[in-house]
Amino acid sequence: GQQVMQIPQYQHVQEGEDFTTYCNSSTTLSNIQWYKQRPGGHPVFLIQLVKSGEVKKQKRLTFQFGEAKKNSSLHITATQTTDVGTYFCAPDQTGANNLFFGTGTRLTVIP
Amino acid sequence: DAGVIQSPRHEVTEMGQEVTLRCKPISGHDYLFWYRQTMMRGLELLIYFNNNVPIDDSGMPEDRFSAKMPNASFSTLKIQPSEPRDSAVYFCASSLDIRSGELFFGEGSRLTVL
Repeated sequence: GQQVMQIPQYQHVQEGEDFTTYCNSSTTLSNIQWYKQRPGGHPVFLIQLVKSGEVKKQKRLTFQFGEAKKNSSLHITATQTTDVGTYFCAPDQTGANNLFFGTGTRLTVIP
Repeated sequence: DAGVIQSPRHEVTEMGQEVTLRCKPISGHDYLFWYRQTMMRGLELLIYFNNNVPIDDSGMPEDRFSAKMPNASFSTLKIQPSEPRDSAVYFCASSLDIRSGELFFGEGSRLTVL
């Protein structure tokens, strides 16, 4: 089965503080995707990382793929209330698909 | 584009009743997925179809659950008989490509079984 840990499970931050969530695998990944789900909403695709050591940015969001392709992180700089939600990683462990999601990190931003 | 359309958005039913959830994928997407989300188990893949054919149903909980895709624009997930532990949000998603393909999720169907 999937052996992927996503940490932390929950994170409360003051607005303006930074936030990071991690997705760690026991096996080498082909690629990894990240999704965001707003409270009461549905998961929405954010990005896909493929290459070892890859770093991608989307405004205040920075996504990294580890050199060994076993872990990934999503970092948000200066959080805003619009960042509230649950962030999921969807790693491809088999080279076949990204259909299995991590447990998610629920972010709460305190105004 | 209308996106993935699911119905009903909310369903409240009594234990033992049959529940049918419906999904219309994005036109042109060859893959359709059914997920279930609960606090305890997170986001679980139940089944997925490719070109209307079920490919992997290993996530379907038990025989009470069944899914069909009679054509490229419609799929159903049926629970008969329903039980309180089936209460969850059921998402349908579609995709152009299963390998590294972005999943497009519907708004979900929130099911409550009393």
